[in-house]
Amino acid sequence: GESVGLHLPTLSVQEGDNSIINCAYSNSASDYFIWYKQESGKGPQFIIDIRSNMDKRQGQRVTVLLNKTVKHLSLQIAATQPGDSAVYFCAENGYSGGSNYKLTFGKGTLLTVNP
Amino acid sequence: NAGVTQTPKFRILKIGQSMTLQCAQDMNHNYMYWYRQDPGMGLKLIYYSVGAGITDKGEVPNGYNVSRSTTEDFPLRLELAAPSQTSVYFCASSHGTSGRVGSQYFGPGTRLTVL
Repeated sequence: GESVGLHLPTLSVQEGDNSIINCAYSNSASDYFIWYKQESGKGPQFIIDIRSNMDKRQGQRVTVLLNKTVKHLSLQIAATQPGDSAVYFCAENGYSGGSNYKLTFGKGTLLTVNP
Repeated sequence: NAGVTQTPKFRILKIGQSMTLQCAQDMNHNYMYWYRQDPGMGLKLIYYSVGAGITDKGEVPNGYNVSRSTTEDFPLRLELAAPSQTSVYFCASSHGTSGRVGSQYFGPGTRLTVL
């Protein structure tokens, strides 16, 4: 079946370093991808999205890279801060049974920022 | 705007009891979703709706029911609660166009324990 997976379940970085969180997807029909941040005890929060007609998209301190050839997605966080500590999920939107109304979420990566 | 609101925040049920988890959004989003999140896991889709009067099953619909009588509200009903339904439940909404899911906005979650 189709899946969205993450290479590393945990990532620990020093404050001020750059963080890179990776995600692999297997549905070649997926054409829309989203990164979410979930802090402890809260709902997921939208960070950034990208469509398959793009390779790169930048936001405030975050960049998402999409490599369709190897079906890989990454989230880069510049100058990581303690407030960035959270679980990060990637999600894909692809056709499923004739519709594309749904997102498929990966398990998530726990990012810990050390002061 | 309040965004997506959920009630209650916490609930303890006995096996066999029933309850309704409430979800409302004030963003005039046409798509709404219910997910469950087990500890250390990603989000699994229970049910979704692409508009008032239209609902469809997600990945894990057994033991749940939904209705969508208005654009704003999307309650989730648990009948005959079981310990396997102990989880955190998130409601989400998005503005979908031409079947595309759009960025989903999440509520704060309902933490349910079934004993």
